[in-house]
Amino acid sequence: TQLLEQSPQFLSIQEGENLTVYCNSSSVFSSLQWYRQEPGEGPVLLVTVVTGGEVKKLKRLTFQFGDARKDSSLHITAAQPGDTGLYLCAGRGSQGNLIFGKGTKLSVKP
Amino acid sequence: DVKVTQSSRYLVKRTGEKVFLECVQDMDHENMFWYRQDPGLGLRLIYFSYDVKMKEKGDIPEGYSVSREKKERFSLILESASTNQTSMYLCASTRLMLDTQYFGPGTRLTVL
Repeated sequence: TQLLEQSPQFLSIQEGENLTVYCNSSSVFSSLQWYRQEPGEGPVLLVTVVTGGEVKKLKRLTFQFGDARKDSSLHITAAQPGDTGLYLCAGRGSQGNLIFGKGTKLSVKP
Repeated sequence: DVKVTQSSRYLVKRTGEKVFLECVQDMDHENMFWYRQDPGLGLRLIYFSYDVKMKEKGDIPEGYSVSREKKERFSLILESASTNQTSMYLCASTRLMLDTQYFGPGTRLTVL
């Protein structure tokens, strides 16, 4: 069974701080996605990483896919209250379906 | 923009009732999915459909059924709702199986 472990589960920080969220697995994934979900809404795709070692940047967010394609990280620089939400990683399973991690709930206080 | 809509944002039902959750997408997507989301458990796939009248079981299909009579509409059915089906239900769609999944806003179902 392919599983994705996310850490930390909860994160509460002050505006302006940096943070990193991790997504780890013992399985290899062909691609990995990061979603952000705001309260009362469905998840929205932020990025897809496909190549081992790939780094993608989206403004203050930096996503990295591990060389072995078993792990990924999301780094936020100078967090803002608007970054508050649930961050989900999802890997493409062997049958093509998405396998989700349990999420990291981020709260950024002004 | 892709739009996935779900019939209700909030729903309260009683144990034993038959419950229908509707999902509609407007982008002619082949694939549609139903997930449930619970704190500490993440998103879990209930069923998905890759074409009209076609369905496949996901990870947790027990207690649920689905219907896809039209390409744009995918219904999740709880034949006899139970309290352990209280959850947030999310619908998603995608054109190709490996494409980005677009999610609806979710239906928060409470079974009393």
